[in-house]
Amino acid sequence: KNEVEQSPQNLTAQEGEFITINCSYSVGISALHWLQQHPGGGIVSLFMLSSGKKKHGRLIATINIQEKHSSLHITASHPRDSAVYICAVRGNFGNEKLTFGTGTRLTIIP
Amino acid sequence: ETGVTQSPTHLIKTRGQQVTLRCSSQSGHNTVSWYQQALGQGPQFIFQYYREEENGRGNFPPRFSGLQFPNYSSELNVNALELDDSALYLCASSSPSGSPYNEQFFGPGTRLTVL
Repeated sequence: KNEVEQSPQNLTAQEGEFITINCSYSVGISALHWLQQHPGGGIVSLFMLSSGKKKHGRLIATINIQEKHSSLHITASHPRDSAVYICAVRGNFGNEKLTFGTGTRLTIIP
Repeated sequence: ETGVTQSPTHLIKTRGQQVTLRCSSQSGHNTVSWYQQALGQGPQFIFQYYREEENGRGNFPPRFSGLQFPNYSSELNVNALELDDSALYLCASSSPSGSPYNEQFFGPGTRLTVL
C-alpha cells in the first residue's frame, strides 16, 4: 500500500462543476502539499498546509490531521483547470523528503 | 526574485552514457531536492542537499549522485544510464528546514530519454 493515496485517479467533469480530489496518507507528516502539473511537466505549488483550511481564488484545500486526509476542491471549474493534481506529504523534522501520490488527472469539458 | 530554473529542458542519451542535469535554486533558498518522475507516475525522491551536504536520500542506486555549490545551485549526475532512467527530473528548492516558509518550489524539469 502506498504511503499516499489519491482518488479518483481520473476525473472528467463539465465546465462549472464543483470538483473534489481526495488524498489519504498513512505516515506522520509535518505538512501536506497540493501541486498542479500541466502537460510538459512543470509543477506549480498550489497549497502547503498543516492544519485547517486554505483558500486561493476558486481553489480550497482542507486537511484533517486526525483522519490523515486532505481534500482539494475547485469551484466553478473551467477547462483551464485541466491538469494533473498531485498530493505530497512532508515527513516530520529530520525526514523532510516529499512523498507523492500518483496524481489525479482532471479534464474539464467546455 | 528569480524562480527555480533547470537545464537542459530535454536530453537524449544512449545506454551506458553519463548525464549531468543542473538546477538553480530560488533566491534565498539553501535546500535543493531532486525527484524522478516516470511517465504516468508521481515523482520519487532521489536526494536532498542542504548547505552543500547530502541531507537525505531515497531508494536510488549510487550511480545517482549530486552536488550543491556555494551559491546553492545543484547538479544531478547519473552514470551508466539505463533505459528505465528515462523520466522527467524535477528539482525543488526551499528555505531552511524548520522555517515556516520552507515550501518547496519546483523547476520546470528536464526530460531525459535514454535510447
